[in-house]
Parts: sequence; C-alpha cells; structure tokens
Amino acid sequence: GAVVSQHPSRVICKSGTSVKIECRSLDFQATTMFWYRQFPKKSLMLMATSNEGSKATYEQGVEKDKFLINHASLTLSTLTVTSAHPEDSSFYICSARTPGLGPEKLFFGSGTQLSVL
Amino acid sequence: GQQLNQSPQSMFIQEGEDVSMNCTSSSIFNTWLWYKQEPGEGPVLLIALYKAGELTSNGRLTAQFGITRKDSFLNISASIPSDVGIYFCAGQLTTGNQFYFGTGTSLTVIP
Repeated sequence: GAVVSQHPSRVICKSGTSVKIECRSLDFQATTMFWYRQFPKKSLMLMATSNEGSKATYEQGVEKDKFLINHASLTLSTLTVTSAHPEDSSFYICSARTPGLGPEKLFFGSGTQLSVL
Repeated sequence: GQQLNQSPQSMFIQEGEDVSMNCTSSSIFNTWLWYKQEPGEGPVLLIALYKAGELTSNGRLTAQFGITRKDSFLNISASIPSDVGIYFCAGQLTTGNQFYFGTGTSLTVIP
C-alpha cells in the first residue's frame, strides 16, 4: 500500500508555544489530506480537510486560527497548533487519499502524540 | 455528520477462535474500508470494498460489502495474539467525499 509519513511521532511542549506536525505522502501525490484528532480508546475525529493549493476546510467547532493547515505541495501538508494549551494534548493523525477518479483508499500516518505542559 | 455504528464495542476471545464484527449506517455508502490500529500508531488499511455484495479476503481476514450498501462485515479466522488492536470501519458516501469512521471494536486475544 501507499506510504504516508508523519513527523514528529511525539512532542512535548510548554503551554503557549506552537507546534508543527508534518504529513508527507511518500510514493503518491495527494491533492487531499485529512487531519484527525483521537482521544484514548475513541474513534477518529475529523478536524479538517487539507486541499493542495487552496484553503483547508474545517469541521464545525474546530478553530481555524488555532489549528493552521498548509498544503503547499502535492506531497506535504502541515498542521500547526498555535499557542498550545494543555487541553490541546491529544493524538493527531493525518491521512492521504489516493488520487484519481477510480476507487479510493485512505492511508494514514503513524500519528503524533502531543503533550502540552 | 454520518453515524457509523460498529459492534461489538469490545471482544475478549481465546486464541484460535473466529471473530466477527460489523458496521452499520442509515445511509448508503459506495466504499467501505476496514482498518486496524495498534496503540500509539495510525490505522493500517486491511481491506477495501467497492461493490455491494463484494467479498474480499486478506489472509485470515475477510470483509463483505453488505447487499443493502448500508453495512459491512469483517471476520477474522483462527485469531492469534498479534490480532490484538482496535478495528475501525470507514465508509464513503460518494467518490471524492470524506470518509466517516465507525466507533471501533477493541479486540483482545487471550493466549
């Protein structure tokens, strides 16, 4: 299957700082990537849809000024958690959709565990 | 958003037993995907289904796209300890749209 790389896998930061998470599709071009947040033993909660070359589409209740998404190329999307606070601590996962008009698949990165002190 | 109900929520089984889980929706989907997630990792794609009635296998795993297109099933035969994890279904209403995720089934295999 296709490979999606996500970095860093774990980050600990002080309250008030910003954290950037990268999501790369290594062997295919992804015009669309997705960012999720996951709480322990819970399902994936879609935060936003990242579209290459255009603004991201955010789900209801997700602050776009706090969770900045940039999809500057067909293989890279970034999520920046600005002015992080302890309540932002969570597991963040990205996914990339395989391109084309045919049957689609969704491949995930390995996730980033964010801990805000 | 769409609600995908996945059951059972958790399973505790003996090694060697077969496992069945399902995912249901009130809407018609044109794609069903099944994933396995281990602690601290992202979900890994197991099986993709695109046609009503389709039955697809991946080793000891078999998944089916329900005839009504509102449900999907995943079976694991002869379970082994490394099958432990959370299994998620994901459905897509139409090509190009987002995928909706089920609530997950936590599987524990007792050696």
